[in-house]
Amino acid sequence: EPEVTQTPSHQVTQMGQEVILRCVPISNHLYFYWYRQILGQKVEFLVSFYNNEISEKSEIFDDQFSVERPDGSNFTLKIRSTKLEDSAMYFCASSQVLGPSGNTIYFGEGSWLTVV
Amino acid sequence: GENVEQHPSTLSVQEGDSAVIKCTYSDSASNYFPWYKQELGKRPQLIIDIRSNVGEKKDQRIAVTLNKTAKHFSLHITETQPEDSAVYFCAARGYTGGFKTIFGAGTRLFVKA
Repeated sequence: EPEVTQTPSHQVTQMGQEVILRCVPISNHLYFYWYRQILGQKVEFLVSFYNNEISEKSEIFDDQFSVERPDGSNFTLKIRSTKLEDSAMYFCASSQVLGPSGNTIYFGEGSWLTVV
Repeated sequence: GENVEQHPSTLSVQEGDSAVIKCTYSDSASNYFPWYKQELGKRPQLIIDIRSNVGEKKDQRIAVTLNKTAKHFSLHITETQPEDSAVYFCAARGYTGGFKTIFGAGTRLFVKA
């Protein structure tokens, strides 16, 4: 069964450093997402991406965050200058647009970011 | 903005009993309501979903009901087993210029053997 894959699974970074989290969405999916989950808390929406542009973003997704689809398969989340409170699990997800499964979001395994 | 409220935050049941988790949503344009199960350290996995044109859906021991008028939906797990122990998230998806799915705060379910 196709899966969303993410790298790295775990990254430790110094406060103020830039971090890039990488994702390969499911190949026939057209909508891509980033969510984050602080330890023990709920899954929070960051951004959705469609047709090579951001379609919606939350108030969490401020100027220090950016997303990119650098090629036909990868989808990246960049955090420009990390803060301690950015420590969380970051989930990439994707969905089809149309069809009976069009609404279902499939999550990757997550990238655990620790900012020290 | 859109909001999804979920109750209870923690639920403990005896093996074999039923478990019910309830959610309400604020965005009347929401039309898709998935439920995810998340085991410790793992990704959320879809267990069942319901669309706004359906009032109830069942899959073996799991069922979901939707009341669009009241804007609430519920997850029912019957004959609970210890492996049902996990965090369960409800979610609501709508379209407001872009697709996004908003999650509830989660319910930690403990099934005691």
